[in-house]
Amino acid sequence: DTAVSQTPKYLVTQMGNDKSIKCEQNLGHDTMYWYKQDSKKFLKIMFSYNNKELIINETVPNRFSPKSPDKAHLNLHINSLELGDSAVYFCASSQRSGANVLTFGAGSRLTVL
Amino acid sequence: GENVEQHPSTLSVQEGDSAVIKCTYSDSASNYFPWYKQELGKGPQLIIDIRSNVGEKKDQRIAVTLNKTAKHFSLHITETQPEDSAVYFCAAPPLGGKLIFGQGTELSVKP
Repeated sequence: DTAVSQTPKYLVTQMGNDKSIKCEQNLGHDTMYWYKQDSKKFLKIMFSYNNKELIINETVPNRFSPKSPDKAHLNLHINSLELGDSAVYFCASSQRSGANVLTFGAGSRLTVL
Repeated sequence: GENVEQHPSTLSVQEGDSAVIKCTYSDSASNYFPWYKQELGKGPQLIIDIRSNVGEKKDQRIAVTLNKTAKHFSLHITETQPEDSAVYFCAAPPLGGKLIFGQGTELSVKP
């Protein structure tokens, strides 16, 4: 069983489109995250939810809107996609907020043409 | 806030050699230092970590050392193998819930 699964793994789309990435964890963790990894491999946190509540919201354009319907799911919706949004987006979870050990998904590679 | 600097950004070694990756941190209150390994096409995975009350920790061919005075910690991989080729990230403890990652080191082990 995959602990943190995200879909789709690859996403190619045109500028201006709206797309979503979904994430699910079966670890029973309370906290979930979205990280963005750019072409230089730098990992930057975007959002974090603890028990469905937003607790971290980094300086991210408001075209990005996370949603957590329950503590096992965290989705990321992106409106009006731009070229600079091209990256690999990683979902992760941890036992609780502030916990040190993160379990990452395999990533979703978004390419905006 | 915490700042983590990681060096080198790329490292190429021959199979069987050792590899060392170093990180420095800024917050002297930091007390937990993990290392993550990211293989091609996968997400980062925790491989080893160390707490501030310990100076060194080993797990088979990998070890982490911590120098709290100098505020740096290092990952040591001995007898490197091709499957060690990956991107390695150090990290500093969650600041307000955020785990701060270093810039990453791309390790290439040549057979």
